Parts: sequence; structure tokens; C-alpha cells
Amino acid sequence: GAVVSQHPSWVICKSGTSVKIECRSLDFQATTMFWYRQFPKQSLMLMATSNEGSKATYEQGVEKDKFLINHASLTLSTLTVTSAHPEDSSFYICSAREVGAYEQYFGPGTRLTVT
Amino acid sequence: DAKTTQPPSMDCAEGRAANLPCNHSTISGNEYVYWYRQIHSQGPQYIIHGLKNNETNEMASLIITEDRKSSTLILPHATLRDTAVYYCIPRGTDTGFQKLVFGTGTRLLVSP
Repeated sequence: GAVVSQHPSWVICKSGTSVKIECRSLDFQATTMFWYRQFPKQSLMLMATSNEGSKATYEQGVEKDKFLINHASLTLSTLTVTSAHPEDSSFYICSAREVGAYEQYFGPGTRLTVT
Repeated sequence: DAKTTQPPSMDCAEGRAANLPCNHSTISGNEYVYWYRQIHSQGPQYIIHGLKNNETNEMASLIITEDRKSSTLILPHATLRDTAVYYCIPRGTDTGFQKLVFGTGTRLLVSP
């Protein structure tokens, strides 16, 4: 149980375009989902926390207009990287917290390459 | 959030116990110690957590010192698949257990 999926697992896009990454909790309902970013040889950095049906809370230094987060249902959150640039190339990982529980379960990650 | 200090890297022979230390001297009374690991190019995987008592599950054991300023994660019989970065993360009730703040972790290399 407690499986989180991400789609796509990898994506290549051209500079200036937008790309959407989906995060789904497959066998549980998640009131809260988290989005992380990880650059090569670095640790995970929390970007934002999203609660179902409300606006996401962004960490300091993360541009909310560039990284659009939608958490429209208890099983799906999306991260849209708008007007992507090569410096946005990174490994994006989501996690989900089950309703009424403390544990977070992580997705497998999405590798974004912007050319 | 409490700060943690972990050795950047450790080596372990396959079949031997891997003991990964973590210093969290500023941990507060309501913060648990969580351990996650991340195998290369995958999402983090939960291992174990504890408050002040030692804990054991099918993956590992967690030893927390009496003063709670440090802990050790023990993988009793390391395998090649245990090669990963291991993160020690204090996590408390102040933010409703919302955040996981990842430090730099320990890169464990298990060799044949």
C-alpha cells in the first residue's frame, strides 16, 4: 500500500515552453502533497506544500508564478513549470500525506531537462 | 527545526552491519528522529523513526541516546541494494509534522 506515482518519469522540453508533472496517490487519499526539487549531487529541497482545495504554500525563494501547483483532488496534484529555462532542469519529486496520518510517501521522481 | 550532522560517506562490506550515526544535539522534546534513504535517481524511502526508545523493524534498527542528542541507524546485514544516501531528519509537532527538511545525508556504499 501507500504508493505514489509520478508522470512522466522523464521529460525533455525546449526553453520557453511549459511542462506539467502529475503526482498521484494510488491507494490512499492525500490531503497534503509536497513538491521537492533535487539538483545533481545535492539534497532534496522543498519547493511547496499543497493542500487539497486550497492554494499552495511556497518556500522562500520559490517563484509561485513560475511553478504552478494545483491540488484539485485527494489523489492528484500537478506541478507546472512555466516558461522553462535550462536552469530549471532538475529532478522533481512529490510526496503525499495520507488523510489523518503523519507519514509521507514519495513518488519515484520526474527528471526534467530543458534544452 | 533541529540541525543534523552526518558523515558525508561510509563504506560497508556486504553482509556486515552498517552503523550510520547522526548528531542532532538541538533536537527539541517533541521532535521525532526519522530516517529515510534515497537510492540513486529514485524517490526517498522511509526506513524508521523514533522518539526516545530504540526501535526495530524489518529494515533496520534505530538506537537513540538517552539525551536524544544523537542516534544510530543500524542495517544488520547490509546488501548491495542498501547502497544509497541516508538522511536523518528531526520532525516535530510544531508544524503538524508537515515538513521533512533533508540535510546532506550519508552516502553509504556497500561493496562485495
